[in-house]
Amino acid sequence: NAGVTQTPKFQVLKTGQSMTLQCAQDMNHEYMSWYRQDPGMGLRLIHYSVGAGITDQGEVPNGYNVSRSTTEDFPLRLLSAAPSQTSVYFCASSYAWAAGQYNNEQFFGPGTRLTVL
Amino acid sequence: GIQVEQSPPDLILQEGANSTLRCNFSDSVNNLQWFHQNPWGQLINLFYIPSGTKQNGRLSATTVATERYSLLYISSSQTTDSGVYFCAVRLETGANNLFFGTGTRLTVIP
Repeated sequence: NAGVTQTPKFQVLKTGQSMTLQCAQDMNHEYMSWYRQDPGMGLRLIHYSVGAGITDQGEVPNGYNVSRSTTEDFPLRLLSAAPSQTSVYFCASSYAWAAGQYNNEQFFGPGTRLTVL
Repeated sequence: GIQVEQSPPDLILQEGANSTLRCNFSDSVNNLQWFHQNPWGQLINLFYIPSGTKQNGRLSATTVATERYSLLYISSSQTTDSGVYFCAVRLETGANNLFFGTGTRLTVIP
């Protein structure tokens, strides 16, 4: 298993540009999520999905869109990049989707470092 | 929302020393994970621990859910232990969303 993969590893955008961060997992995990990490802070949840076709907002969803058309993929779209979106983005997944379920340990991808000028 | 506080924020150790990192959380949680973020930014799973104590080599973790805290013990520290340690909790119900603390930055010097 490749686990959770993310592309690209690094990206530089200009203000107003759009782009998609890719995330894929090959573990047949139901739950997938996107977090951002800003300097000196923990990770904050952007969006999450509890299964194909189902997505919902996390703590900091503004400026981002997601979709989940397959179990394996969970892309994150920046519609019009802003300097405030400069951050490191992590994708994560778990087998179980609910907080109270057994086997809901989350595993993280390697991250995408995004700079918006 | 739930508050997750980690202490100390920074820790410098001589190689071979022991340390204890603490994670306090403000509400009842279902489960807790400890991660190590290495100097290259990768998040490595250390423990998945709802309660009780688990050990993995030189590392061990204890969670006392009723008192809303967890401890991570590092014994005989090595330079490769350097990095940032995060705890993350999930609420008792709802989706499997994690809430992170702000981390403890550990530097182990030879």
